[in-house]
Amino acid sequence: GEDVEQSLFLSVREGDSSVINCTYTDSSSTYLYWYKQEPGAGLQLLTYIFSNMDMKQDQRLTVLLNKKDKHLSLRIADTQTGDSAIYFCAETEGNAGNMLTFGGGTRLMVKP
Amino acid sequence: GAVVSQHPSRVICKSGTSVKIECRSLDFQATTMFWYRQFPKQSLMLMATSNEGSKATYEQGVEKDKFLINHASLTLSTLTVTSAHPEDSSFYICSARDLATNEQFFGPGTRLTVL
Repeated sequence: GEDVEQSLFLSVREGDSSVINCTYTDSSSTYLYWYKQEPGAGLQLLTYIFSNMDMKQDQRLTVLLNKKDKHLSLRIADTQTGDSAIYFCAETEGNAGNMLTFGGGTRLMVKP
Repeated sequence: GAVVSQHPSRVICKSGTSVKIECRSLDFQATTMFWYRQFPKQSLMLMATSNEGSKATYEQGVEKDKFLINHASLTLSTLTVTSAHPEDSSFYICSARDLATNEQFFGPGTRLTVL
């Protein structure tokens, strides 16, 4: 089946940029997502990218997609302590409303 | 944006009891809702796809008789954990697919603790 992998942990200093990486195996992926999960809370959709795009920027967030290598990254500029959370990448194939396959999540810790 | 609610947000129950979790789309209609489960420090795993007016589709390894899903209306799906045991303790999250836009929105999750 599909597999989505992420590194477990990332630590950065406040004000630095954070880059969270994700790899996936399903070549049929059409939409790729980044979700944020704060402790004890549900999922917050941060951004998504369609598979025919290479890059998407939304304020402090930049998503890069290398479809050839099946590699997705999320860059957070000027990282703040409030960005500390677990970040999940997820993919779906077909239309955007289909079930999601999630990566294991990357815990981002932002040090003051 | 569209809102999905879950109730209860947190529940503690004794082993052997059944627990019902509701997932509601508040301002849109959803013919399809998804139920995910998240163990501590782990990712979300899809349990089942809930379809309005028909039987749910369960993922491999998920016991349909233990996790009963009812999607009786376009705005409500319920997940009942029957005869709950401590190993069922988990964070359960639903998502709902907007019939009009096909976008998927997540609920805030329900933390179940079985003593």
